Amino acid sequence: DAGVIQSPRHEVTEMGQEVTLRCKPISGHDYLFWYRQTMMRGLELLIYFNNNVPIDDSGMPEDRFSAKMPNASFSTLKIQPSEPRDSAVYFCASSRIDRADTQYFGPGTRLTVL
Amino acid sequence: GQQVMQIPQYQHVQEGEDFTTYCNSSTTLSNIQWYKQRPGGHPVFLIQLVKSGEVKKQKRLTFQFGEAKKNSSLHITATQTTDVGTYFCAGPGGGADGLTFGKGTHLIIQP
Repeated sequence: DAGVIQSPRHEVTEMGQEVTLRCKPISGHDYLFWYRQTMMRGLELLIYFNNNVPIDDSGMPEDRFSAKMPNASFSTLKIQPSEPRDSAVYFCASSRIDRADTQYFGPGTRLTVL
Repeated sequence: GQQVMQIPQYQHVQEGEDFTTYCNSSTTLSNIQWYKQRPGGHPVFLIQLVKSGEVKKQKRLTFQFGEAKKNSSLHITATQTTDVGTYFCAGPGGGADGLTFGKGTHLIIQP
């Protein structure tokens, strides 16, 4: 089975540009999570969905960040406008049963904002 | 909200030495999970502990869940270069928080 798929794997952009990160969860998983990882702050939960519905977005840092899940097999995380402090690795993860079940992480998107 | 603290943040060992990382929660956990992230990689699930005082082994790795279900440890016997990476513990968050991850312990092995 294919694991969680994320694209792009690397993104370099300039400050002020819009950035869209994409995720395809494992088929049959009801929960999808977006994380951000930096050396300073570690692994931070940004938002998570249950059956395509956003449940908790309290981790989204600012209004510049938005996430959608239009269907069970696709989610996006958008940053508009991007800033250098948004540079990080963004992971998408999915789980099958509930929010505290084993999470399967995608390979991540390494974002660099110049 | 719930916090999960991990120590140490970094651990340097000589190849062949043992390694232990500790995880402490401010609240009682229904379960605890451990993940490993290789350099440049993504977190990968290792194991889940559910019962008070539970001990599980995976080859050279031993996982323990405290009697009060507020702490856990991961012990690696005779480390190898393949053990290099960051080890995270994670517990169910309060309310709608999903999993709360510790900051991780970075294991560095010197040959």
